[in-house]
Amino acid sequence: GAVVSQHPSRVICKSGTSVKIECRSLDFQATTMFWYRQFPKQSLMLMATSNEGSKATYEQGVEKDKFLINHASLTLSTLTVTSAHPEDSSFYICSAPGTVNNEKLFFGSGTQLSVL
Amino acid sequence: QKEVEQDPGPLSVPEGAIVSLNCTYSNSAFQYFMWYRQYSRKGPELLMYTYSSGNKEDGRFTAQVDKSSKYISLFIRDSQPSDSATYLCAFNAGGTSYGKLTFGQGTILTVHP
Repeated sequence: GAVVSQHPSRVICKSGTSVKIECRSLDFQATTMFWYRQFPKQSLMLMATSNEGSKATYEQGVEKDKFLINHASLTLSTLTVTSAHPEDSSFYICSAPGTVNNEKLFFGSGTQLSVL
Repeated sequence: QKEVEQDPGPLSVPEGAIVSLNCTYSNSAFQYFMWYRQYSRKGPELLMYTYSSGNKEDGRFTAQVDKSSKYISLFIRDSQPSDSATYLCAFNAGGTSYGKLTFGQGTILTVHP
């Protein structure tokens, strides 16, 4: 399957700072990537869709000004959590669709964000 | 009613046992059915993918889909301690929303030696 690389795996930051998370598709191009969030003991929820060359689309209830998404190239999408607060502490995971069946999503290893 | 119902477990079985994991769903728009395995604090790993009713086998894993009953299952034969993880069922309506997977809450499985 497709390999998606995500970095960093863990971030601890102070309240009010911004954190950038990178997601790369390895050995394939992804014009679209997806950012999910997972709170403890809950399942994954789609936050936003990252589109190469155009604006990201956000799911209902997700603040676009807080979660800035940039799809800089066909292999890189970044999520920046701006002015992070403790309630933003969560596990953030990016994904990319398969090249043959785009309903299959391949996930990165995730980033655990802890805001103090 | 939740779109997806999955028994959270936890489920504990001895090595070599057959494991059965199940999900029910209510959204008739779901066309694609997947099972993911997630180790603690890692991203989900795709195990099985199917879009039709019936059984699909891959090694020790068998995915079963019954669209008429809106029920899917994952069977693991000859379970191993390395199978200990959280198993997530996932559903996709396809079309323009192909990136939006609806996940079950996950079943925690422990296989003990």
